[in-house]
Amino acid sequence: GAVVSQHPSWVICKSGTSVKIECRSLDFQATTMFWYRQFPKQSLMLMATSNEGSKATYEQGVEKDKFLINHASLTLSTLTVTSAHPEDSSFYICSARDHTKAAINSPLHFGNGTRLTVT
Amino acid sequence: AQSVTQPDIHITVSEGASLELRCNYSYGATPYLFWYVQSPGQGLQLLLKYFSGDTLVQGIKGFEAEFKRSQSSFNLRKPSVHWSDAAEYFCAVCSGTNFGNEKLTFGTGTRLTIIP
Repeated sequence: GAVVSQHPSWVICKSGTSVKIECRSLDFQATTMFWYRQFPKQSLMLMATSNEGSKATYEQGVEKDKFLINHASLTLSTLTVTSAHPEDSSFYICSARDHTKAAINSPLHFGNGTRLTVT
Repeated sequence: AQSVTQPDIHITVSEGASLELRCNYSYGATPYLFWYVQSPGQGLQLLLKYFSGDTLVQGIKGFEAEFKRSQSSFNLRKPSVHWSDAAEYFCAVCSGTNFGNEKLTFGTGTRLTIIP
């Protein structure tokens, strides 16, 4: 079945550094990918929609300069947390669906997430 | 604005017992409804979804859910749980106009613990 691979699965970084998270669709192509953030024991919040070949669409309240999204190909989207701070520590999850199929017939596939800890 | 409420933060059931996880939604028009399961430290897996038609939907792993418009509910059920069902369960809603853009609104989740 369709798989979304997310890397790394966990990362620890120092405050002020930047961290890049990759999201790959392994056996399908996706013109859009979606980035969610999940705080401990809370729900998922959509951060942004990554669009292949164009700018990402950010949800209200999400800092574009803090969370840089690049969707360079139909199988890869990256989220870079710039100048990370402890409050950015969270679980980040990407998702995507096969764009060759109608959305109503194509389930959304989630990556296994990236646990970011900023010290 | 759409919203989802999962009233039960944590539920514990015995293996082999029946299960019902509650989900109430708020949305003006006909919603698209989903149930996802998340194992610790992992992403989400779709259990089932409701778009239209038969209000009782069957999903994977023996789960089913019933859409009740009059109660604005979409409760998840399983007649006999297995130890492997222990996980976090999320109900989500999406408007038809947002579908495809993944503006899913998730509930806060229900953590399911299974005891022998």
